[in-house]
Amino acid sequence: AQTVTQSQPEMSVQEAETVTLSCTYDTSESDYYLFWYKQPPSRQMILVIRQEAYKQQNATENRFSVNFQKAAKSFSLKISDSQLGDAAMYFCAYRSASGKLTFGTGTRLTIIP
Amino acid sequence: DTGVSQDPRHKITKRGQNVTFRCDPISEHNRLYWYRQTLGQGPEFLTYFQNEAQLEKSRLLSDRFSAERPKGSFSTLEIQRTEQGDSAMYLCASSAQGRGFNEQYFGPGTRLTVT
Repeated sequence: AQTVTQSQPEMSVQEAETVTLSCTYDTSESDYYLFWYKQPPSRQMILVIRQEAYKQQNATENRFSVNFQKAAKSFSLKISDSQLGDAAMYFCAYRSASGKLTFGTGTRLTIIP
Repeated sequence: DTGVSQDPRHKITKRGQNVTFRCDPISEHNRLYWYRQTLGQGPEFLTYFQNEAQLEKSRLLSDRFSAERPKGSFSTLEIQRTEQGDSAMYLCASSAQGRGFNEQYFGPGTRLTVT
């Protein structure tokens, strides 16, 4: 079974600064996908960024980028130029061949004005 | 396309009662997933459908839980004889099928409170 670990329950960052959220996972599969989801307070889960395991190049989406280290089974999220609207719970997720997602416990990100 | 919708958004029930939730996926998506999220935790997989077939169920889905997707469109999740431990947010997601990212789009969830 796959497991996803987020070791930072809470993080805070000054507005306009950069923050990195950590995620590690465990799997015996070779072909999989990794995702970061954002869940603002009382709002629904939305996809932030995604990574295919077979691609060595790290994914980027505007201010969001990942550092994917397949051998280390690490998948961290970097948010540059943090904005107040980035405040949310961030979940790292692993997608198995069946399509089901396995989530970490989340990191609550606070943006300090 | 209005996205994934769930109904009701909130449900308060007394222990021992039955409840049913509905999920309407994005129309062209043939995969539909149910997750449960308790306070302070990430969502946990419950079950998923490909069209009308229920292909996988988690051990979390006890005998009191049943899910259906009768015509491969909307899905229902029923909990019989609710217990206080069933209090959680129930999330539905849908996706297309096949190779590739097949992003799961989540609904707003149904928050269940069992008193």
